[in-house]
Amino acid sequence: KNEVEQSPQNLTAQEGEFITINCSYSVGISALHWLQQHPGGGIVSLFMLSSGKKKHGRLIAKINIQEKHSSLHITASHPRDSAVYICAVKGAGSYQLTFGKGTKLSVIP
Amino acid sequence: NAGVTQTPKFQVLKTGQSMTLQCAQDMNHEYMSWYRQDPGMGLRLIHYSVGAGITDQGEVPNGYNVSRSTTEDFPLRLLSAAPSQTSVYFCASSYGGQSSYEQYFGPGTRLTVT
Repeated sequence: KNEVEQSPQNLTAQEGEFITINCSYSVGISALHWLQQHPGGGIVSLFMLSSGKKKHGRLIAKINIQEKHSSLHITASHPRDSAVYICAVKGAGSYQLTFGKGTKLSVIP
Repeated sequence: NAGVTQTPKFQVLKTGQSMTLQCAQDMNHEYMSWYRQDPGMGLRLIHYSVGAGITDQGEVPNGYNVSRSTTEDFPLRLLSAAPSQTSVYFCASSYGGQSSYEQYFGPGTRLTVT
């Protein structure tokens, strides 16, 4: 079973700061997902990665397959970025996702 | 498109009662799944389906049943509710199962068992 570790568990930042959230996993994967869960509870998909880097607006996600590590970056953070960010991985040939416990981000004006 | 819908949003049950959580998607997705989310833990897979008529167990299936008679619907049944089933339940869907596709989540059902 894949183990997924996220760090930090909690993060408080001032508006405008550069944010980094890390995700490490223990077994080789076919894809890694970054998800966002707002205080209201809804979960939305931000990125799905199998290699390299993806960018969407102020969000950047990178994955290093050899090191079994991914990072999510937020540039010029804003209070509306306050949410829980969740990493999930999918093993090769598996139907199942394994989720990290999430990183709670609070951005203060 | 409505995406993934779940009903009800909130539910309180007494121990031993049964109920069905409804999930539907209008994106013609093959893969549907049910997760529970508990404080301090990651989302955990209860059951999943890779197409109509095909279901399988996830990490925490005990106490739950599912069926998939149509592509659109994937209900989750609690046969005899227990306080340990107090949780937030999410239904999700994606285009495929073994290949990797974007996941779409429903809004969640908050269930309390007393």
